[in-house]
Amino acid sequence: DAGVTQSPTHLIKTRGQHVTLRCSPISGHKSVSWYQQVLGQGPQFIFQYYEKEERGRGNFPDRFSARQFPNYSSELNVNALLLGDSALYLCASSFQGLGETQYFGPGTRLLVL
Amino acid sequence: RKEVEQDPGPFNVPEGATVAFNCTYSNSASQSFFWYRQDCRKEPKLLMSVYSSGNEDGRFTAQLNRASQYISLLIRDSKLSDSATYLCVVMQFSGSARQLTFGSGTQLTVLP
Repeated sequence: DAGVTQSPTHLIKTRGQHVTLRCSPISGHKSVSWYQQVLGQGPQFIFQYYEKEERGRGNFPDRFSARQFPNYSSELNVNALLLGDSALYLCASSFQGLGETQYFGPGTRLLVL
Repeated sequence: RKEVEQDPGPFNVPEGATVAFNCTYSNSASQSFFWYRQDCRKEPKLLMSVYSSGNEDGRFTAQLNRASQYISLLIRDSKLSDSATYLCVVMQFSGSARQLTFGSGTQLTVLP
């Protein structure tokens, strides 16, 4: 079975641009979470979605938004990119997200110049 | 104060050594606890969940002390393949969200 997939794997943008990152969860999983990992730090929670509804949001500005589609895949959008947005963006899926294990995709590595 | 604190290391140990990692968390309402492993430039992968009764998986033993808000991971008979960053992770219920909060990780290098 395929694990969590993310696209693209790498991305280079310039300040002020916007970006859309995509995630497909493990088949049968209904919950998707997004995390940002900057170099040398652990991942930081951005959003969690379950059954297309936002369940939670971390301490990130409104420039960050996300949505989940009927097939449970998800998009993370970041507007008005800043240099500090350069990071590895990780998507994790779980069956319901109710205290269950979250499985991570390989991530999208974003570089903002 | 960080919500989850770990000694960043690095820990450099010879093959066959026993190494212990410690972690503390600040939110007493935390519900679930995990150790994840992350190889260089890869995604985190679940190593093991951590229970109050302690649990063991082969060479790996994890312990949780809720009263002290302390989590540990013990690796026995270290292998070269154990070299990675070990992330202490706490799951918190934030409204209806199940949010993972990560420590900054402890880097382990096992030397031949």
